Amino acid sequence: KAGVTQTPRYLIKTRGQQVTLSCSPISGHRSVSWYQQTPGQGLQFLFEYFSETQRNKGNFPGRFSGRQFSNSRSEMNVSTLELGDSALYLCASSLGLAGGDYEQYFGPGTRLTVT
Amino acid sequence: GENVEQHPSTLSVQEGDSAVIKCTYSDSASNYFPWYKQELGKRPQLIIDIRSNVGEKKDQRIAVTLNKTAKHFSLHITETQPEDSAVYFCAASKDSSYKLIFGSGTRLLVRP
Repeated sequence: KAGVTQTPRYLIKTRGQQVTLSCSPISGHRSVSWYQQTPGQGLQFLFEYFSETQRNKGNFPGRFSGRQFSNSRSEMNVSTLELGDSALYLCASSLGLAGGDYEQYFGPGTRLTVT
Repeated sequence: GENVEQHPSTLSVQEGDSAVIKCTYSDSASNYFPWYKQELGKRPQLIIDIRSNVGEKKDQRIAVTLNKTAKHFSLHITETQPEDSAVYFCAASKDSSYKLIFGSGTRLLVRP
């Protein structure tokens, strides 16, 4: 099976712009979670989608949003970019079933640099 | 709130020695505890996990132990090799959520 893929891998944006990142989960996986990784804050949960519905949300401002499509692919959007949004954005794929297999597999990430 | 503390932040061992990384979680409802290995410039890779109904799990040179009463869990790597050098993250989540709360990471260096 193909692993989790993310596009683009690298992105440079200017403050105030917005950005959309994409994640394709492992075939058959219905849950996609997003994480932000920075040297200072480590790995922080952004949100999780299952069957096109947001099931969980982390403590990030409303500028961070996401969605999931019927084929389980997910996108996250960051509007009005700030310098502090520079980070590696990772998505993780899992089956998503309650009481089932909770293993999450990460994609390679999108490195976002805000200047 | 939910929190996972991880120690030590850095660990240097001689090849062939054992390495132990410890994590403590705050949410007593947590019942799933994965460990991830992240090499420089790579994605985090799941190396082992444990559920709260199990006290210990082993996979070749890697083992994880869980003490639910004390709310802590540990990663044990035996016979370390230079390719074990990486940053290791512990995490915790609970049945009702796929939200992983991560520890701050441990940079492991295995000296040849």
